[in-house]
Amino acid sequence: DVVMTQTPPSLSVAIGQSVSISCKSSQSLVYSDGKTYLHWLLQSPGRSPKRLIYQVSNLGSGVPDRFSGTGSQKDFTLKISRVEAEDLGVYYCAQTTHFPYTFGAGTKLELK
Amino acid sequence: EVQLVESGGGLVQPGRSLKLSCLASGFTFSNYGMNWIRQAPGKGLEWVASISSSSSYIYYADTVKGRFTISRDNAKNTLYLQMTSLRSEDTALYYCARPGVAYWGQGTLVTVSS
Repeated sequence: DVVMTQTPPSLSVAIGQSVSISCKSSQSLVYSDGKTYLHWLLQSPGRSPKRLIYQVSNLGSGVPDRFSGTGSQKDFTLKISRVEAEDLGVYYCAQTTHFPYTFGAGTKLELK
Repeated sequence: EVQLVESGGGLVQPGRSLKLSCLASGFTFSNYGMNWIRQAPGKGLEWVASISSSSSYIYYADTVKGRFTISRDNAKNTLYLQMTSLRSEDTALYYCARPGVAYWGQGTLVTVSS
């Protein structure tokens, strides 16, 4: 199984601050079609997960451009510029390249 | 607007069965593979099973293989998860989700306890 190692487990931030979350996979996430199926999700308190970024760097529908994703192969990063209150919650990376699909353990973003 | 509405959860005793449903709307259901993903209370996300658009390809997590069955009825725009031999560790909020974890339902809670 592909192990997704997500760091840090938690972040305490002030509104307006920028933060980054890392996600490393135990094997390459490049699929046979050449695409990389690494996604970033946000689960706000009491809500279902919502996809923010798909295929490493593509912004989901309606997602503010304060969110950006970079990376390749096995090493990926989510950056949030100018954190807003609505950004608080747990962030997950997810890979849907290989079965079984796997998720990072999550990064909890809290207000300082 | 894409909508996924899960139902069928509840309290069930260990060893018993339960069948979950996910009603899809807002997109052409028969064109998409679908997934079940679960989240134990206070824990992270765990993929459970996937099914292709025509049911030709089906995959399961090792933790549920042989006990759970994923299926779909494209005429009814509905995804199913038949769960048998339930264990306490199956207690979770069960979500259906579109490919690429693009859209999620609100989840249905399954509690396995005596």
